[in-house]
Order: sequence, then structure tokens, then C-alpha cells
Amino acid sequence: NAGVTQTPKFQVLKTGQSMTLQCAQDMNHEYMSWYRQDPGMGLRLIHYSVGAGITDQGEVPNGYNVSRSTTEDFPLRLLSAAPSQTSVYFCASRGREGSEQYFGPGTRLTVT
Amino acid sequence: AQSVSQHNHHVILSEAASLELGCNYSYGGTVNLFWYVQYPGQHLQLLLKYFSGDPLVKGIKGFEAEFIKSKFSFNLRKPSVQWSDTAEYFCAVNPYSSASKIIFGSGTRLSIRP
Repeated sequence: NAGVTQTPKFQVLKTGQSMTLQCAQDMNHEYMSWYRQDPGMGLRLIHYSVGAGITDQGEVPNGYNVSRSTTEDFPLRLLSAAPSQTSVYFCASRGREGSEQYFGPGTRLTVT
Repeated sequence: AQSVSQHNHHVILSEAASLELGCNYSYGGTVNLFWYVQYPGQHLQLLLKYFSGDPLVKGIKGFEAEFIKSKFSFNLRKPSVQWSDTAEYFCAVNPYSSASKIIFGSGTRLSIRP
């Protein structure tokens, strides 16, 4: 199993550009989440999904969209990038409520 | 607001010193609790977890944590740290009231002097 994979690993965007961060898992997990990690602020939940077709907002959802058309994939879309979205983004998945969460390797995004 | 608090932002210890990192949460009711570690340049890995039963849980690499329900705390401990424990440590809470979410604390950076 590859576990949780994320692409790209690094990305530089200009303000106003849009892009999609990809996340996939091959463990047949129901739950998937997106976090952003910023110095001194830990990991903050952006959006999460409890199954295909079901998504919900986390702590910091503004400026981001998600969709979950399949169990495996959970892309994160930045609609109009802003410098405040410069961060490291982690995707995570888990099998059921309360189970261990597995993290992807992260995407380092810089918005200039 | 409901939250997870890690009050120690940066801890510096010498090798062989004992470690205790604090974690407090403000969710009522039943919770699942986790400690994750992030070594430099790597992604998060699970150190240990508490779901139910014995409130003293043991994890990998000699780490343990104690759940004290009355104090809403889940502190991480290690009797004797090594230089290789240099990393950032995150406490996380999965409240039954919001079972689909796992909320993280702000993290504690641990630096070990050789």
C-alpha cells in the first residue's frame, strides 16, 4: 500500500491564481481531512469528509473548496490564492471514528 | 471555544533528562486522545493513543501518556530523552460529540542538547 499520497510536493503561486492539491489513499478509508500547518499554530482543520459525496467545513475553510467523488480521492482547491495561504498542507485519512489517522507527506505552498 | 492547548511552545532539555509535555482540552464528554510526532522534514507519525481503559498508555520509543479525565489533560512523558527525540510533538483530540473531526494543538518543539 502507498498509504496517503499528495501532489505536488512544492508549489509557488502568484496572488489570484487557482490550483488543486491532490490527495489519494489506497486503504479504503472512509474519513479524509485537509490540514494546514503554520509555525506556532499547529495543524488547523480546513475541510473533512466522512465518505464519498459528503464533505464539511473545519476550523479554517475560507478560500478553499473540496469534493469527494470517490473513496480514494479528496482534492483541495484554492480558488484565488492569497499570501495568507502560504503554508504546508497535509492530507490525512482514517478508517472509522476514533481510529488512527494517517498523514500524507505534505505540500509546501508559497503564494507571492 | 472548544480547543486543544499545549502550553509549552519550545522545550530544551539535555540528553537523559526527563520529559513531560502538557496537553489540555476543553471538549466535554467522551474523547479519544492522540500524541503525534513530526521529526524534522517528515510528516506526522502516531506516538500513542487513548480510546478507553487504562488511563496510562504506552507508545513507541519509550513514550507514555496519562489521561486524567478530571483535569481534561493528556500529558506526554518520557523518563530519559535522547538526541533523536528532537522533533515537534502534537496533541490531538477526537471528541465523540464531533466524531468525524480530529483537532490538534499548536504543538511543542522539543530540542535535545547532546
